[in-house]
Amino acid sequence: AQSVTQPDIHITVSEGASLELRCNYSYGATPYLFWYVQSPGQGLQLLLKYFSGDTLVQGIKGFEAEFKRSQSSFNLRKPSVHWSDAAEYFCAALTGGGNKLTFGTGTQLKVEL
Amino acid sequence: ETGVTQSPTHLIKTRGQQVTLRCSSQSGHNTVSWYQQALGQGPQFIFQYYREEENGRGNFPPRFSGLQFPNYSSELNVNALELDDSALYLCASSGSGGALETQYFGPGTRLLVL
Repeated sequence: AQSVTQPDIHITVSEGASLELRCNYSYGATPYLFWYVQSPGQGLQLLLKYFSGDTLVQGIKGFEAEFKRSQSSFNLRKPSVHWSDAAEYFCAALTGGGNKLTFGTGTQLKVEL
Repeated sequence: ETGVTQSPTHLIKTRGQQVTLRCSSQSGHNTVSWYQQALGQGPQFIFQYYREEENGRGNFPPRFSGLQFPNYSSELNVNALELDDSALYLCASSGSGGALETQYFGPGTRLLVL
């Protein structure tokens, strides 16, 4: 079955430190991948997406992600984390013929000042 | 440009009741998808509507039903509420219901079933 896995449930980083959130997918074909962020009590905001082409994609708020087919991964990175980045991050893949997002279980990011 | 809006923001119901949640899609979008997000989980796809027709359904029972109106707004109806229906219900709109469309989410409706 097609699936998205986020191995880390919680991550804590210090403000100013670099960040990498892991995402692995299980699909036969080239997946279309997304990262969303959810602040407490809020909906989901799109950070970035990968459909094809350059495997390093840039997003909003200084985030980037790299698609690695050999590792079935789409990890999210940020060189320097800000306290306002504390939130829950979801990796997702477009499946079901292109009309359904399948989400991972999310990674809760805590930023220490 | 108006984003995706949902109403109400919060709702409390008792087991066995029925509930209707509403979603207005982003300007220019004709597709609405609904997701259920239980506490501590990622969103789960319920169904999608494209031009007033259901265009895909997730693993949810028939008591979860929906509508899309000519202005592309949408309703999610849940009958015979169960305790496990307590969740954040998210609506997302996208451009054309085809593949590769980015979905933009509303703030959600938090439903509590007692």
